[in-house]
Order: sequence, then C-alpha cells, then structure tokens
Amino acid sequence: AQSVTQLDSQVPVFEEAPVELRCNYSSSVSVYLFWYVQYPNQGLQLLLKYLSGSTLVKGINGFEAEFNKSQTSFHLRKPSVHISDTAEYFCAVSEGGGFKTIFGAGTRLFVKA
Amino acid sequence: GAVVSQHPSWVICKSGTSVKIECRSLDFQATTMFWYRQFPKQSLMLMATSNEGSKATYEQGVEKDKFLINHASLTLSTLTVTSAHPEDSSFYICSAVGPYNEQFFGPGTRLTVL
Repeated sequence: AQSVTQLDSQVPVFEEAPVELRCNYSSSVSVYLFWYVQYPNQGLQLLLKYLSGSTLVKGINGFEAEFNKSQTSFHLRKPSVHISDTAEYFCAVSEGGGFKTIFGAGTRLFVKA
Repeated sequence: GAVVSQHPSWVICKSGTSVKIECRSLDFQATTMFWYRQFPKQSLMLMATSNEGSKATYEQGVEKDKFLINHASLTLSTLTVTSAHPEDSSFYICSAVGPYNEQFFGPGTRLTVL
C-alpha cells in the first residue's frame, strides 16, 4: 500500500530565505508524485507533478522538486520565499496509471517578515 | 485551466437533517470524480470514488448509507450527508479527473452541523 510522510508539520522561515519541505513516500509500484498548495478555506492548487522523465521538476510560483527514487523522496524547494507563500503544502502520490491519490499530513509554511 | 466548482461553499444545518453538496466540472467532462473530507489542520482523506453511470466506490471505514454519492452526468457529482450529526462537520472537497488524467480540485464546502 502507498503512504506519504511529510516530515515537518510546520516550517517557519523568514522572507527571502530558501525553504525545503520534505516528503517521503512508500509504494511497491511506480508512482506519480505531486505537490499541492492550500490557502485558508480554499481547495487545492497543483504546484507541480512528477510523472516520468527528468527528476527535477519545476512548478508554479518558483517552486521546484526533485524525485529521488533511491531515497523515495520528493522534496519541495524554493530559493527565496515571499509572505504570500504562507500556506499549507501537501505532498501526494498515486500509483502509475491510476487516479487514486494519497495525501501526506501537510506542512504549514509560515513566512515571516 | 480546468475549473471545478462546488455548491454550496458553506452550509450550516441542524442535527438529523440531510445536506447535499454538488461538484461540477465547468469546462470538461469527468467520468471520474473523488470526494475527500478534511478536518481542521489535517490532511485530505479520500472518502469515495465517483464514476459516472455506476455506483461509487467507498474507502474502508466510510459509511455508504450515510454519505450518498450520485454521479448522474459527466459534469456533476453530488454528495449527500444523510442524518447529519456534529461529528460530520468538516471541509468536504471534490476533485474531477480531466481529459489528460489530471485531477482538478473544487474550492471545498464547509459543513457545520449544530
């Protein structure tokens, strides 16, 4: 069975500093990996996804993530954060070819001025 | 990009009543939609998979008689919370699978049962 672990429940960071949100997954088959952002009282917005090919994936709002198969990780990074990046971030996995998606517990990114 | 709407965006009801939540794909057809619930400060938990023209597939532990799902058309799925109780209060989010197999999420419905 698939599972997703987000190692940090909260990440406080100062504005313009770099940030990394960690995500590890487990699955017995090939997977698709996703990062979503959720602002308060809103639905989810897709930041980026890894389906195949290059392990470095670039997404919206300056975010990127790297798929590491040997470490079963898909960490999200941004070189310089803004106050507006304050939100909840979810890592998610679905088995290749399927739609069913399992979400991690989420990481609250809090950007301070 | 593809848009998924939910109606209502929030609802307050009395204990024992039933509440219907609609999920619509506005500019694409979706044979598959998903329903999730999210408790405060927690992740999304998949409740069920809704397939157009067939019965929904429920996740383990989700009562199908309590959470009725109907996917009557390629653009509409409904979730009815029957005989709602305070413990059913939650944020319900739907998603629809688009033409390139990408999930698009609705904005969510906040249900409060008094």
